Amino acid sequence: GIQVEQSPPDLILQEGANSTLRCNFSDSVNNLQWFHQNPWGQLINLFYIPSGTKQNGRLSATTVATERYSLLYISSSQTTDSGVYFCAVFPYNTDKLIFGTGTRLQVFP
Amino acid sequence: DTGVSQDPRHKITKRGQNVTFRCDPISEHNRLYWYRQTLGQGPEFLTYFQNEAQLEKSRLLSDRFSAERPKGSFSTLEIQRTEQGDSAMYLCASSLGADPEKLFFGSGTQLSVL
Repeated sequence: GIQVEQSPPDLILQEGANSTLRCNFSDSVNNLQWFHQNPWGQLINLFYIPSGTKQNGRLSATTVATERYSLLYISSSQTTDSGVYFCAVFPYNTDKLIFGTGTRLQVFP
Repeated sequence: DTGVSQDPRHKITKRGQNVTFRCDPISEHNRLYWYRQTLGQGPEFLTYFQNEAQLEKSRLLSDRFSAERPKGSFSTLEIQRTEQGDSAMYLCASSLGADPEKLFFGSGTQLSVL
């Protein structure tokens, strides 16, 4: 089956710093999404981004589908950005999300 | 829109006991998904329903697991004869059709099997 790998696995930042999270996937996909799982376990849908670039406040995401990767940018990080960021893909001919390995982000004041 | 609701939030049980979790999706959502997440891992797909029909099951869903969505609204996930390896967070999500932008997750049920 399709493999979804994320890097780095862990990231520690001071408040105000910028970061880039990467997601690589092993086969062509129908859709790609980025989620944030907060320290209480809630998964929040950040971006639906099968291709191109989107921005939402301090967060933006870019997916290059032909090269099978996606990037999530976090600018001017805040402590509330802490948690785990997951990339998830919908392979073709399936309706189930395949999640990546996650990047655990800790932002300190 | 009250979001996806899961009950209970936490469950502690002894090995060999049966447990049942409930998920109430967003009211107009016709798709409902169950995922399992173990510590340090991403969620893994278990099964999903469109209305009351169970359309796909993962091979992770052994014979001890059963899910239902009898009236196309709430869903239950039952685990029989629980094992320590069943300890995990069980997440429910719902969506309107296959629209990924309208996919929302509940807060999960954390199961601990002693």
